[in-house]
Amino acid sequence: AQSVTQLGSHVSVSEGALVLLRCNYSSSVPPYLFWYVQYPNQGLQLLLKYTTGATLVKGINGFEAEFKKSETSFHLTKPSAHMSDAAEYFCAVSLSGSARQLTFGSGTQLTVLP
Amino acid sequence: EPEVTQTPSHQVTQMGQEVILRCVPISNHLYFYWYRQILGQKVEFLVSFYNNEISEKSEIFDDQFSVERPDGSNFTLKIRSTKLEDSAMYFCASREANEQFFGPGTRLTVL
Repeated sequence: AQSVTQLGSHVSVSEGALVLLRCNYSSSVPPYLFWYVQYPNQGLQLLLKYTTGATLVKGINGFEAEFKKSETSFHLTKPSAHMSDAAEYFCAVSLSGSARQLTFGSGTQLTVLP
Repeated sequence: EPEVTQTPSHQVTQMGQEVILRCVPISNHLYFYWYRQILGQKVEFLVSFYNNEISEKSEIFDDQFSVERPDGSNFTLKIRSTKLEDSAMYFCASREANEQFFGPGTRLTVL
């Protein structure tokens, strides 16, 4: 079975500062990894994903994440935070089987301070 | 751009009543999912559906839950006899390749 741990349920950064949201996973086989963003009262929007190939993946809105197998991590970063980045961020993992259901972390609420 | 839609956006029901949550997945997708998110908690997998049958389900998905694809477009989640603890946001998703596309959710409130 796979699991996801997101360190820090709440992260605050100043506008223009680096955003770093941490995600560690546990999986017995090579996983597929995802970051989703959820704005208030909305559904989940995919930011980026890692399946195979290049370990540094770029997503929408200037976000990127690096898959580090040795550290079982998939941390999300953005060089310069914008007020519109304030939202809840979920890291998720799935296996490569047919169903590929997602296992989510508990989420990190990002606050961007002016 | 095609999207997953869900109705209703908010459902209020009395404990013990049956509810049906509806989803219209993206038309050429073959895998469909239901997830739920209890307020303040993580998103949890309920069930996946492929080729008109359940492919995986979690321990949450007990006999009170059922899913159906009654026609070529709708995908429904039925809760037979709702409990207070079923109050949550329910998300439908459909998958193409490695990406799941989520609907906006239905907020279910059980009184």
